[in-house]
Amino acid sequence: GQQLNQSPQSMFIQEGEDVSMNCTSSSIFNTWLWYKQDPGEGPVLLIALYKAGELTSNGRLTAQFGITRKDSFLNISASIPSDVGIYFCAGQLWNNDMRFGAGTRLTVKP
Amino acid sequence: NAGVTQTPKFRILKIGQSMTLQCTQDMNHNYMYWYRQDPGMGLKLIYYSVGAGITDKGEVPNGYNVSRSTTEDFPLRLELAAPSQTSVYFCASTPDRGYTFGSGTRLTVV
Repeated sequence: GQQLNQSPQSMFIQEGEDVSMNCTSSSIFNTWLWYKQDPGEGPVLLIALYKAGELTSNGRLTAQFGITRKDSFLNISASIPSDVGIYFCAGQLWNNDMRFGAGTRLTVKP
Repeated sequence: NAGVTQTPKFRILKIGQSMTLQCTQDMNHNYMYWYRQDPGMGLKLIYYSVGAGITDKGEVPNGYNVSRSTTEDFPLRLELAAPSQTSVYFCASTPDRGYTFGSGTRLTVV
């Protein structure tokens, strides 16, 4: 139903490489969001997408809201060590309820 | 501006004990949420509230109760703690879109 499938589950990359992760669902969402979680902390909002087809950047991060409203991707360019963490996609429903993907664990090797 | 504040940060409970996880926000947000995060997993919605005096169940409400007597506070109650409730609990709030999360409460039931 309203479950999100996030991939990949984990990534091990070299510093300077680009990263891409995505989320898909069989349900339609009003808003797509991408969060980053550091160890022992709550998720922090990176990018919010409000319209189908929207492409938004935040520094080295770029995210898109899929045309079908059922998917989104996040790209990180020129990764640096502090990009390490768990990235979660989230889809927000009409009633402000939010569903989360299982996360992508990113490791960046210097 | 403290944002979303959760207490306690850590707690160990014995099976059958009860406790209340506190959550307070000072941003005058109407919407508040409780999530649990199990190891290596995304967040699952326990309960949410769209305003003072209104609460509703999320995906995994069994074993929990909430109340929302004020806009600021949204406590989560565990009446009879079970090992399956060992998790990290996050409270979040939003005025409309994009949540602000607290730093979490790590609960262990033994």
